[in-house]
Amino acid sequence: ILNVEQSPQSLHVQEGDSTNFTCSFPSSNFYALHWYRWETAKSPEALFVMTLNGDEKKKGRISATLNTKEGYSYLYIKGSQPEDSATYLCASQGGGADGLTFGKGTHLIIQP
Amino acid sequence: DARVTQTPRHKVTEMGQEVTMRCQPILGHNTVFWYRQTMMQGLELLAYFRNRAPLDDSGMPKDRFSAEMPDATLATLKIQPSEPRDSAVYFCASGLSGRSYEQYFGPGTRLTVT
Repeated sequence: ILNVEQSPQSLHVQEGDSTNFTCSFPSSNFYALHWYRWETAKSPEALFVMTLNGDEKKKGRISATLNTKEGYSYLYIKGSQPEDSATYLCASQGGGADGLTFGKGTHLIIQP
Repeated sequence: DARVTQTPRHKVTEMGQEVTMRCQPILGHNTVFWYRQTMMQGLELLAYFRNRAPLDDSGMPKDRFSAEMPDATLATLKIQPSEPRDSAVYFCASGLSGRSYEQYFGPGTRLTVT
């Protein structure tokens, strides 16, 4: 994998259901994996930064896992609420450099 | 509530004109990034600075784009001359460098070049 890839591109989920989506990134020269939440007309907001294989982070109903050996991360949302509707971006940071390489995002829509 | 600020928020200009976008990073942050967001490419890194020194500008078209940090509280991104393909949202982000650290994004400057 040369680029950061996210799937699915968009997702419609019923309110109350749980959901998850995937980020794949280059496993070689890995430094850190970032997740951002991006609402329309706002700035991307940092959710998690993960560095270690097997890392798992949680913030309220949102959690993320990291597998650096195979180059993927999952983001989970438990009991989706309408306010969870947003685009979720992941970004890879490699080689000790600070700049991020972003995926195209997963656009999540929670239907009441 | 510390935030990254960017000016202007919106800019419409004609092809060939100079455009300057400004960013004030969060006080105390030593790393500043410029990203560009387009429908086709998503968010792309253009350049970044640490302690005001440019570390990477490989994502930036060198012939027309320039980025500077005149002081620790101001970063600028200049396009001269601007072209319609430069139309995008330009985001500035700042952070305090370390092993792994969050980048805090500004509200962006939406640039339209006609």
